[in-house]
Amino acid sequence: EDQVTQSPEALRLQEGESSSLNCSYTVSGLRGLFWYRQDPGKGPEFLFTLYSAGEEKEKERLKATLTKKESFLHITAPKPEDSATYLCAAGGNAGKSTFGDGTTLTVKP
Amino acid sequence: ETGVTQTPRHLVMGMTNKKSLKCEQHLGHNAMYWYKQSAKKPLELMFVYSLEERVENNSVPSRFSPECPNSSHLFLHLHTLQPEDSALYLCASSQDSTGSPLHFGNGTRLTVT
Repeated sequence: EDQVTQSPEALRLQEGESSSLNCSYTVSGLRGLFWYRQDPGKGPEFLFTLYSAGEEKEKERLKATLTKKESFLHITAPKPEDSATYLCAAGGNAGKSTFGDGTTLTVKP
Repeated sequence: ETGVTQTPRHLVMGMTNKKSLKCEQHLGHNAMYWYKQSAKKPLELMFVYSLEERVENNSVPSRFSPECPNSSHLFLHLHTLQPEDSALYLCASSQDSTGSPLHFGNGTRLTVT
């Protein structure tokens, strides 16, 4: 059975304090590893897709990386507006995405 | 208008009511989805439609009935729901159903009393 585990469950950072979020996955035939951002009262917003181990993608202060067992979302010098819940999902056979529970990030000014 | 639009944003219904959730996508995608999001639980896939044909039904109770009249519109018909069905219902679309990233609407917050 496909499984995705995210850690930590919650992360509190000071503005400018860099850190990483973890996503461990067990999926048959990975077709893509996806990162989404969800703000309160809104649907998840697509951030990145990673397809193979060693791949990296960047967008502003965010960088996503992928190994054969896990993905990291690195946040460099975060700002309060980066506060959100970050969701990881692994796309397996038949294209079905299995989601993790998410990491709720709070960045204090 | 762009993206994925869901209506209504909020819905309160009694256990004997019948209501429908509506979703419309303006992205030209071929696949549409219904997800359920409950507190402290990961997103749960309910239904998948590809080119208007249902390709997945994740053992969802029959009190939830989806309808996809064309590739841009998706409905979720609700009847005789239970209080535990209270959740955020999210619609999403993707280019295809074989692993493309999902584009979500902002959801309908459903409360069953």
